[in-house]
Amino acid sequence: DGGITQSPKYLFRKEGQNVTLSCEQNLNHDAMYWYRQDPGQGLRLIYYSQIVNDFQKGDIAEGYSVSREKKESFPLTVTSAQKNPTAFYLCASSPGTGTTWGSGANVLTFGAGSRLTVL
Amino acid sequence: SQQGEEDPQALSIQEGENATMNCSYKTSINNLQWYRQNSGRGLVHLILIRSNEREKHSGRLRVTLDTSKKSSSLLITASRAADTASYFCATPGGVFYQKVTFGIGTKLQVIP
Repeated sequence: DGGITQSPKYLFRKEGQNVTLSCEQNLNHDAMYWYRQDPGQGLRLIYYSQIVNDFQKGDIAEGYSVSREKKESFPLTVTSAQKNPTAFYLCASSPGTGTTWGSGANVLTFGAGSRLTVL
Repeated sequence: SQQGEEDPQALSIQEGENATMNCSYKTSINNLQWYRQNSGRGLVHLILIRSNEREKHSGRLRVTLDTSKKSSSLLITASRAADTASYFCATPGGVFYQKVTFGIGTKLQVIP
């Protein structure tokens, strides 16, 4: 079955440590995304990538880093510079092909999420 | 910054009633999407309405879009307990409409 796999599902980190969250998709999608969700809050965009070897900052990129070396993979590193990293992290992908007006190229498929807790 | 803002933030209704939630956004869009999230899970896409459409239906869902007011509404008819979830609108922006941002969501509780 095609989909998005995030790992680990739960992660605990000590202050000052970097951690990397994995996101893999087998949907052959060009675009991938990382969002952060805090309790009772909406989703805030961290980074997104429209194509391999390219990515753009979202609204809350400070303290995070990403890479997009393969189409299938978009790992997110939460660095020690992120002051309040405890949150639920969601990865998503979309077809991202072309700019057809009104197309579903930007409809997102989400992973199940990774919950990061800083001890 | 959050592109979309949903209203109300929380809604509690009886099973069988209709649920209406609203979304306002700020910049130009090529479409507007609604998603559902069950507690602690990923989001699931429900419906997409293009910027040249005013209304769209899918099963018990009805979405309207008013681009002059930069607002959309999602109506769930004949609600069921299984509809209990959070609902988010998403607005694609940026150069190729690939920067997809979400509102804070409406938490819907349907009481059996």
